[in-house]
Amino acid sequence: GAGVSQSPSNKVTEKGKDVELRCDPISGHTALYWYRQSLGQGLEFLIYFQGNSAPDKSGLPSDRFSAERTGGSVSTLTIQRTQQEDSAVYLCASSKTGWTDTQYFGPGTRLTVL
Amino acid sequence: GQQVMQIPQYQHVQEGEDFTTYCNSSTTLSNIQWYKQRPGGHPVFLIQLVKSGEVKKQKRLTFQFGEAKKNSSLHITATQTTDVGTYFCAGQISGTYKYIFGTGTRLKVLA
Repeated sequence: GAGVSQSPSNKVTEKGKDVELRCDPISGHTALYWYRQSLGQGLEFLIYFQGNSAPDKSGLPSDRFSAERTGGSVSTLTIQRTQQEDSAVYLCASSKTGWTDTQYFGPGTRLTVL
Repeated sequence: GQQVMQIPQYQHVQEGEDFTTYCNSSTTLSNIQWYKQRPGGHPVFLIQLVKSGEVKKQKRLTFQFGEAKKNSSLHITATQTTDVGTYFCAGQISGTYKYIFGTGTRLKVLA
């Protein structure tokens, strides 16, 4: 595809359940980012993947959050034992080589934890 | 910790009026990027400023980067209803590769 895609677009889950969010970056982009945007708030950095380097996980809010990037392409963000405060839009972005490049954002996944 | 603050948080203007949002960092930035997010949409990159004192224009939008590289502004001349959305700045902290996003300014344009 031409842009960053994310799935699902919406996810409603019960407190305590695990969820997986998927991101397909633009083909050829080596950098991939996950952000979280709570209602009416700014973007909060979660994690950054760059090529084969160890990911920068410094933005993950707790050890319930983890992310993988397989084969340098698709990424999955996993939230275990979801809490109501995890409700937010989770945005994925990719860029050609790294932070100084233009980041292209996906449409996001709206997560609602009941 | 390092912060990037934006003011105002909200702004309502009449169509045709000008609009400015300001971005202030607690620390020196290597560069700053601006994004626009339409209601219900995802952030879209607008521009990147790198040099101290840099000014760039995109049609009715004027972007400035402060001399000390700690603040930036986005000015829209003669707003239109299509300008509605939230404008975010994102500053790259000097000496790091990370960006910190500002809190955003939500713009409403009244026809």
